[in-house]
Amino acid sequence: AQSVTQLDSQVPVFEEAPVELRCNYSSSVSVYLFWYVQYPNQGLQLLLKYLSGSTLVKGINGFEAEFNKSQTSFHLRKPSVHISDTAEYFCAVTSNYQLIWGAGTKLIIKP
Amino acid sequence: EAQVTQNPRYLITVTGKKLTVTCSQNMNHEYMSWYRQDPGLGLRQIYYSMNVEVTDKGDVPEGYKVSRKEKRNFPLILESPSPNQTSLYFCASIGGNSYEQYFGPGTRLTVT
Repeated sequence: AQSVTQLDSQVPVFEEAPVELRCNYSSSVSVYLFWYVQYPNQGLQLLLKYLSGSTLVKGINGFEAEFNKSQTSFHLRKPSVHISDTAEYFCAVTSNYQLIWGAGTKLIIKP
Repeated sequence: EAQVTQNPRYLITVTGKKLTVTCSQNMNHEYMSWYRQDPGLGLRQIYYSMNVEVTDKGDVPEGYKVSRKEKRNFPLILESPSPNQTSLYFCASIGGNSYEQYFGPGTRLTVT
């Protein structure tokens, strides 16, 4: 069975500092990986996805993620965060049409 | 504009009063899904549908029903709501080979 672990429930970071949100998954088959973002009181929006090809994936708003098959990880990074990045970030994995979701990481930007 | 719509966006109801949350997509997607989101638990799948008249249980189906009589609509039915069904509900659809889920805006349900 597949599972997703987001290692941090909250990540506080100063504005303009870099950030990494960690995501590890377990699966016995090849998977597709996603990061979604949920801004306060809003729905879910796709940030980026890995289906195949280059392991470094670039998404919207300056975010990127690297797929590491040997470590079964898909960590999300941004070199310099802005107050507008305050949101909850969800990692998800699938090998078919059913997504398995992590519990989410709240990114808290400190001024 | 490609989108998934849900109605109502907010609903406060009482225990036992049947309700339906509608979901509609205009992208001709075959796969649709319902999730509930609760703090600290992420998104949990309630039911999904691979196509018209094909539905299956997700991780937390108890207390919910769905139907898929036409491709664009996938309503969620709570026959007898209870307070533990107070939650934020999202409908989603998937199309093509990208497996990307398109989400509705969410329905915040409170059962008193």
